[in-house]
Amino acid sequence: EVQLVESGGGLVQPGGSLRLSCAASGFTFSSYWMHWVRQAPGKGLVWVSGIFSDESTTTYADSVKGRFTISRDNAKNRLYLQMNSLRAEDTAVYYCARVVFGGSGFDSWGQGTLVTVSS
Amino acid sequence: QSVLTQPPSVSAAPGQKVTISCSGSSSNIGDNYVSWYQQLPGTAPKLLIYENNKRPSGIPVRFSGSKSGTSATLGITGLQTGDEADYYCGTWDSSLSAGVFGGGTKLTVL
Repeated sequence: EVQLVESGGGLVQPGGSLRLSCAASGFTFSSYWMHWVRQAPGKGLVWVSGIFSDESTTTYADSVKGRFTISRDNAKNRLYLQMNSLRAEDTAVYYCARVVFGGSGFDSWGQGTLVTVSS
Repeated sequence: QSVLTQPPSVSAAPGQKVTISCSGSSSNIGDNYVSWYQQLPGTAPKLLIYENNKRPSGIPVRFSGSKSGTSATLGITGLQTGDEADYYCGTWDSSLSAGVFGGGTKLTVL
């Protein structure tokens, strides 16, 4: 069974940092393009960042470019999101998501981890 | 303001059919596959349709997807009360080199 489990969320002050982790199991993690998607309370889905299966390419939404860094450890089956210079508008549930193998669309999602940026 | 445009809400009676539209541009829907997601209250999104019209294993045939030019449509037939949820369209934007979603549509089954 495919499982994605996020962790690392919490309360952080504006300007602070947080590192999210997503533990993958039940599939060959190193073969899949992985992404982070967030959802502010009561709002819609917003794509944040993506990373190719071999880590060769990373992409970011303009709103997080220069502040967030996506990475992965294929040996540990883990996806990460390093978030620096956090702002109140970064407050959201962060989901890790797997892309359909060789295709398009997010076919597996974690349960999400809540990040709250507040003083 | 989302890159893709969806109606905020739609409604229909049980057993009826409903469609949800998703409008974009030549750099996103016009150039890439569209996927659709269902999000029940308090849960993570679930993939309903990928690559415009394909259903993942386990998704009922009541759910269908189509794309024409820079717009896409999700269709749901035989509505059930359990279909009440938020629905999102998503795709890649070739100009932005970024994923994009619609603002979401709340489906009410009256």
